[in-house]
Amino acid sequence: EIVLTQSPATLSLSPGESATLSCRASQSVSSYLDWYQQKPGQAPRLLIYDASNRATGIPARFSGSGSGTDFTFTISSLEPEDVAVYYCQQRSDWPPLTFGGGTKVEIK
Amino acid sequence: EVHLVESGGGLVKPGGSLRLSCAASGFPFSSYTMNWVRQAPGKGLEWVSSISSGGTYIYYADSLKGRVTISRDNAQNSLYLHLNSLSADDTAVYYCAKDAGVGWSPPTFDYWGRGTLVTVSS
Repeated sequence: EIVLTQSPATLSLSPGESATLSCRASQSVSSYLDWYQQKPGQAPRLLIYDASNRATGIPARFSGSGSGTDFTFTISSLEPEDVAVYYCQQRSDWPPLTFGGGTKVEIK
Repeated sequence: EVHLVESGGGLVKPGGSLRLSCAASGFPFSSYTMNWVRQAPGKGLEWVSSISSGGTYIYYADSLKGRVTISRDNAQNSLYLHLNSLSADDTAVYYCAKDAGVGWSPPTFDYWGRGTLVTVSS
């Protein structure tokens, strides 16, 4: 089973600041790494697929990078509506499909 | 527009059973792998099961294997999850999610329903 470790657990930033989230895999997942946003009380939403590709309709301030075992998700200029938990998910090998534990992004 | 609507959740006693449904619309349902993902209260996301477009291939998470059955009815554009021998650890919101691509391969979940809450308690 591929374990995904996300850090930090919580990120508290001011509007306009840049948010950088990390996801580390226990073994290489190549570029088969997706990012999801889950706002309070809502279902998750796909933001980034295959490490760096924005999903349909996702604003350009969201970006992803990395390959192998180390991945980064960035919100270039944080907006109040970006308050959410962000999850990474690997689709390199299954079963099982695995998610990271999530990073909670808060506004100061 | 893609819509996924789950139903069938509720309060069930330990050891009980439940059948969850997901009604799909807005895309060619029979062409896509479909999936269930769950989320315990205040916890993260956990993949539960996936079924290929024609129902030939099925995978389950080890934590539920033997207690869960996924199925689909392509004529009715519906996905199902039968849960048996439920325990408190199965209390969660169960989401139906569509694979972004076609074919049988590890999915990206491009559309999600709003989920249905299953509560296991005596």
